[in-house]
Amino acid sequence: AIRMTQSPSSLSASTGDRVTITCRASQGISSYLAWYQQKPGKAPKLLIYAASTLQSGVPSRFSGSGSGTDFTLTISCLQSEDFATYYCQQYYSYPPTFGQGTKVEIK
Amino acid sequence: QVQLQESGPGLVKPSGTLSLTCAVSGGSISSSNWWSWIRQPPGKGLEWIGEIYHSGSTNYNPSLKSRVTISVDKSKNQFSLKLSSVTAADTAVYYCARLVPTVTTYYMDVWGKGTTVTVSS
Repeated sequence: AIRMTQSPSSLSASTGDRVTITCRASQGISSYLAWYQQKPGKAPKLLIYAASTLQSGVPSRFSGSGSGTDFTLTISCLQSEDFATYYCQQYYSYPPTFGQGTKVEIK
Repeated sequence: QVQLQESGPGLVKPSGTLSLTCAVSGGSISSSNWWSWIRQPPGKGLEWIGEIYHSGSTNYNPSLKSRVTISVDKSKNQFSLKLSSVTAADTAVYYCARLVPTVTTYYMDVWGKGTTVTVSS
């Protein structure tokens, strides 16, 4: 199975900060990568698919980039509602696998 | 607007079988999408369990394959998960989700709210 490694595992940031989360795949996955946001007690929410395509309704402060093995999720101006855990997921080969998550906390 | 709703027993005895159903509303299960199950143990990350197409084609996680069965009931617009020989390690929140296949990628765009299943005697 392809291993997805996110860094950092957690970070503290302030409202208005620019935040970048990285996701590395153990082998090339082209652009078969999605990013999800999960808040406590809630289901994951799709933010980005195909590595860089913003899901409908998701604020434009979220962006994704990368291809192959290295990917990033950027939040350009952190808002209070963005404090959550973020997961990357590959769907290049079976089984689909998720990163371990990055928790974004309030500084 | 497609919505998904999981249902099933919240408590299952060790060595028993976990059975969950995901009801699809606002759309047809016979659309060109796949339908997935994902789980999340308490305080841990997400694990993909498997998926099904309305034709009955399935894909399973090899780590669970020997214990998992996913089925579809088109007449009821729902799909189901059965996980046999459960242990405490199967305690988790179980989610169902819609998988959208495109020419260049796949993604899960609609998720149920999740249902908590505890394995305990």
